[in-house]
Formats: sequence, structure tokens, C-alpha cells
Amino acid sequence: GAGVSQSPSNKVTEKGKDVELRCDPISGHTALYWYRQSLGQGLEFLIYFQGNSAPDKSGLPSDRFSAERTGGSVSTLTIQRTQQEDSAVYLCASSLGGRGSGANVLTFGAGSRLTVL
Amino acid sequence: AQSVSQHNHHVILSEAASLELGCNYSYGGTVNLFWYVQYPGQHLQLLLKYFSGDPLVKGIKGFEAEFIKSKFSFNLRKPSVQWSDTAEYFCAVKLGGSTLGRLYFGRGTQLTVWP
Repeated sequence: GAGVSQSPSNKVTEKGKDVELRCDPISGHTALYWYRQSLGQGLEFLIYFQGNSAPDKSGLPSDRFSAERTGGSVSTLTIQRTQQEDSAVYLCASSLGGRGSGANVLTFGAGSRLTVL
Repeated sequence: AQSVSQHNHHVILSEAASLELGCNYSYGGTVNLFWYVQYPGQHLQLLLKYFSGDPLVKGIKGFEAEFIKSKFSFNLRKPSVQWSDTAEYFCAVKLGGSTLGRLYFGRGTQLTVWP
């Protein structure tokens, strides 16, 4: 598609439930990133993919968080047993990947706002 | 740990005032530098970027930024702001040049421009 698509745009869930957030990157972009944006906290890196591999997943805050990417395209971020501190906007971005000046120019989606009650 | 510092949390200006937003990073090697902007209700957009060459880079909407390697800084400037520049501005750093990897973001600076 023309941009990075994320769904759902808003998700309200109860503490302890599992949630899945989806990201559909720009066609042809091999790199995909997940960030979390909390009020006043800037953007917190979670994980990035090059193709279907995740060279850096050091930002995942706990083992309740996981992400996968299949077919080098769509990615799913899963949060198990959600806690109130997981409430944030989860941002997905994609880039051309590889090497060179375009590798790290990220295009962001609109985000998925997660509220854990 | 690597860090990106944005000195101003909230800046309030009148239209036509000049703007400078500070950004410093803590890394001594090669970097790629970015400024992203988030207008109210919109997603993050790239404002400008620096990879190499001329340390003064120009971006969209009259913004520019200067990379000063000795000061580990990449400050954003605009000579005359407009009401439509009201937004949150994020500085970001990619370590190690143009190999693939994460971007480190600052906490953001909220700019409010009064008409």
C-alpha cells in the first residue's frame, strides 16, 4: 500500500487479557520496526525485523511481549497478560532496509492506541 | 547506554519568531541524524536527515539543522515560525552510519506557536 497500515487504531482491554497488534508495511520495504510511545516518554524501541528475522529485539520489555513477521511483510506484535503499564501508542514503521542512505529512513504508521483497564 | 537529549520539553513562540530546538547525543562514532515531526492528530513524518557531507541540511517547510560533530549536536532551526508549525518534534540518531539498525529517539519537544 501507499503507507504503513496499523490495526486496530484503538484497543481497550482488561488487565490480564492478550492483545495482538498488526502492521502492514510499505510494499517493498524489507525492514520493519516497532516502537512504543507513552505520554512524555518519547519513542521506546521494541524490535526491528530485516525480512522475517529480528536482528535486534532487545527493546521488548518482558517475555509477555513477542513479535513475528511472516512472508517479509505483515508483522504482529503480541502482548500477553496485559498490564496497565502496557497502555501506550504502539507505532510501526518500515524502511527500505539493506545498506545505504535509504536503509534507515523510517516511515511511520498512525499507531495503535492500547488502553489496559 | 546511548541517549538522545532534547533540552526543551515545551517551547512557546509567537508567529514570525525564530526557532532553535536543541538535540545532543552520546556516541562517538559515525551517526545518521534525523528530525521527525508529529502534527496534532497525525503520524510521525520525516522533517530532515543527515547522513554525510555538508553539515547544514535543509528539510521541508523551511526547517534546517546543523550537525556539529565536536558538540555531538544536531539542532533544528527555522528563521520564522508559523502557527502551522505547532507540533511535537523528535530528534533521532542511528548509530554506525548507514547499516541497518534501530533509531534512538529523544523525548520530544512540544512547539506551540501563537498567531
